[in-house]
Amino acid sequence: SQKIEQNSEALNIQEGKTATLTCNYTNYSPAYLQWYRQDPGRGPVFLLLIRENEKEKRKERLKVTFDTTLKQSLFHITASQPADSATYLCALPLSYGQNFVFGPGTRLSVLP
Amino acid sequence: DSGVTQTPKHLITATGQRVTLRCSPRSGDLSVYWYQQSLDQGLQFLIQYYNGEERAKGNILERFSAQQFPDLHSELNLSSLELGDSALYFCASSVEQKGEKAFFGQGTRLTVV
Repeated sequence: SQKIEQNSEALNIQEGKTATLTCNYTNYSPAYLQWYRQDPGRGPVFLLLIRENEKEKRKERLKVTFDTTLKQSLFHITASQPADSATYLCALPLSYGQNFVFGPGTRLSVLP
Repeated sequence: DSGVTQTPKHLITATGQRVTLRCSPRSGDLSVYWYQQSLDQGLQFLIQYYNGEERAKGNILERFSAQQFPDLHSELNLSSLELGDSALYFCASSVEQKGEKAFFGQGTRLTVV
C-alpha cells in the first residue's frame, strides 16, 4: 500500500524566512496531491491541490511542486509569519482515483 | 466555517457503551469521509460514502459502522467502546468521490472513561 512520509515531525524557522516542507510517497504516482493545514484540536483546512501533469501551483504566499520522478512534493511558505504556525499535512489517493489518506504531518513553528 | 457540521462536539461515555456521531456535509457534496485522530496521532481514514453507498474502507474496526442517508448526512456508530477509542473523529465532505478538495468539520471529541 502507499506509504507517505513528511520530512520532519517539527520545523522551526524565523519569521520572514521561507519554510519548505517535504512529502514523499513510495509506490504508484497519484493523479493529484493535496496539502492541508491543521491547527490543534481543529479539522484540517484545504490549501492547495496539484495534479500529476502540473509542475507547480501557487496561491498567495504558498507554492507547491510535484515531481513524479522523485515521488515527492514540496510545499513552500514564503515570508512566513507566526500565524503560519500549524501542522501541515499532505494527502494523496489511496489508489488511483480513490479517496485520500494523509501523511503524518509536519508541525511548523514560525518564531518572531 | 467549512460548511460541514458535526454533532456533538464533545462526548463522554463509559467503556462498553455505544455512541453515534453525526455529520451533515456541505450543501451539494455527495461524498462523506470519516477519520479518527488519536492524541498525537495522524489522521486515520475509516470509511467513505458516496451518494448513499459505501465506497472505501480503511482501518475501521468491526465494532464501528457507518451509513449515509438519502439526505446525504452520515452517522458513525461506535459500539463496545474501549479506552483506546478516545479520539477526535472528523467528518469531511467533497463534491466527487475522488476526495479532491475536501472540507472538514470541527470534529467530535470522544472520551471513553
